[in-house]
Amino acid sequence: EAEVAQSPRYKITEKSQAVAFWCDPISGHATLYWYRQILGQGPELLVQFQDESVVDDSQLPKDRFSAERLKGVDSTLKIQPAELGDSAMYLCASSPRPQGISYNEQFFGPGTRLTVL
Amino acid sequence: RKEVEQDPGPFNVPEGATVAFNCTYSNSASQSFFWYRQDCRKEPKLLMSVYSSGNEDGRFTAQLNRASQYISLLIRDSKLSDSATYLCVVLFSGGYNKLIFGAGTRLAVHP
Repeated sequence: EAEVAQSPRYKITEKSQAVAFWCDPISGHATLYWYRQILGQGPELLVQFQDESVVDDSQLPKDRFSAERLKGVDSTLKIQPAELGDSAMYLCASSPRPQGISYNEQFFGPGTRLTVL
Repeated sequence: RKEVEQDPGPFNVPEGATVAFNCTYSNSASQSFFWYRQDCRKEPKLLMSVYSSGNEDGRFTAQLNRASQYISLLIRDSKLSDSATYLCVVLFSGGYNKLIFGAGTRLAVHP
């Protein structure tokens, strides 16, 4: 069964350091999402790509976070500099290309658990 | 006010019990609704979609009340394996397949 891959699974860093997360979506999925899930809360969308283009980054803290999907396949999410409040699970998800207004299920990867010390 | 609100629980129930979770949403224009399940330290997985007419999948029944803007999930004959966090999710109608997640309701089923 096809899965969304993410690495690393765990990352511990000190504040002010830079961190990067990688995501490889299910093959053929045009839409890729990065979510942040703080303990005790639901996932919150950070950025959404359609192919290589950003379609929603309204909740991305652009002063320190950046995301790219240069070839419209895999993606990286970077934080620089990391802050204590960035400790969370970072989830990547993908879904097939939208067909009209019907909903396409989002499939989540296992996530990267970030701890900032 | 949060866009999707849920009782965080935890709901502690014995095996075989029936348990119900409710969720309210604020955007009356929302079109699609879902329940996701998330096991501890794992990723969310789609449990079921929620339709206006109500829908059932085995021991799970989901219902939508558009007038009151709430969604429910009923689990019958609870199993130990049902222990998880249940996330109420709304598709944001103004977005691009954008999901808005509630904070989740934690269920613990004990022997």
